[in-house]
Amino acid sequence: QQQVRQSSQSLTVWEGETAILNCSYENSAFDYFPWYQQFPGEGPALLIAIRSVSDKKEDGRFTIFFNKREKNLSLHIKDSQPGDSATYFCAASAWRFASALTFGSGTKVIPCLP
Amino acid sequence: DMKVTQMPRYLIKRMGENVLLECGQDMSHETMYWYRQDPGLGLQLIYISYDVDSNSEGDIPKGYRVSRKKREHFSLILDSAKTNQTSVYFCASSSTGGITEVFFGKGTRLTVV
Repeated sequence: QQQVRQSSQSLTVWEGETAILNCSYENSAFDYFPWYQQFPGEGPALLIAIRSVSDKKEDGRFTIFFNKREKNLSLHIKDSQPGDSATYFCAASAWRFASALTFGSGTKVIPCLP
Repeated sequence: DMKVTQMPRYLIKRMGENVLLECGQDMSHETMYWYRQDPGLGLQLIYISYDVDSNSEGDIPKGYRVSRKKREHFSLILDSAKTNQTSVYFCASSSTGGITEVFFGKGTRLTVV
């Protein structure tokens, strides 16, 4: 049973448009949700994170929208650029247990010229 | 310079051979991890270490063991490697479990033939 699910394996987005990556989770104990960005040949790196007490977190062109009732969240990448070409992993953990991150299967974002 | 270093980066082993993957970090982090990454499966936790000699199984520990004798070093051992252990292995560290930033190494691509 996949505890963190990313619905799309890949996503093609026009440069300049907003890419929307979706994620859902099963475990109600999860209350910390980071997104990690991975370039080919590299390890994942923290991009942005949100705790379940918030419904939105913004950092530059990247925004997380979080819906605790529906157990889902999304990462919006505004003004997509060639440098955003990477795989994005949604992850989750339980803050009070300081548990290890559980990762989704990842979404590969492919910006392309309009 | 905050870094997680993995050695080697690439490794080819024959089925049945023993494999040692090594990892070091320079951030004095208490918690360290080993994950494996396979296409379409994301990152799966093999083992977590909370400190020296304080290791716990993750979601897929079968066929693996770990050793942590110094806080800055964490090793993953495959006794008698199998072809289905061909994967990319990532070591990571964090100051407090998964609720603070987790720093990953660049990975070791292991091929078992």
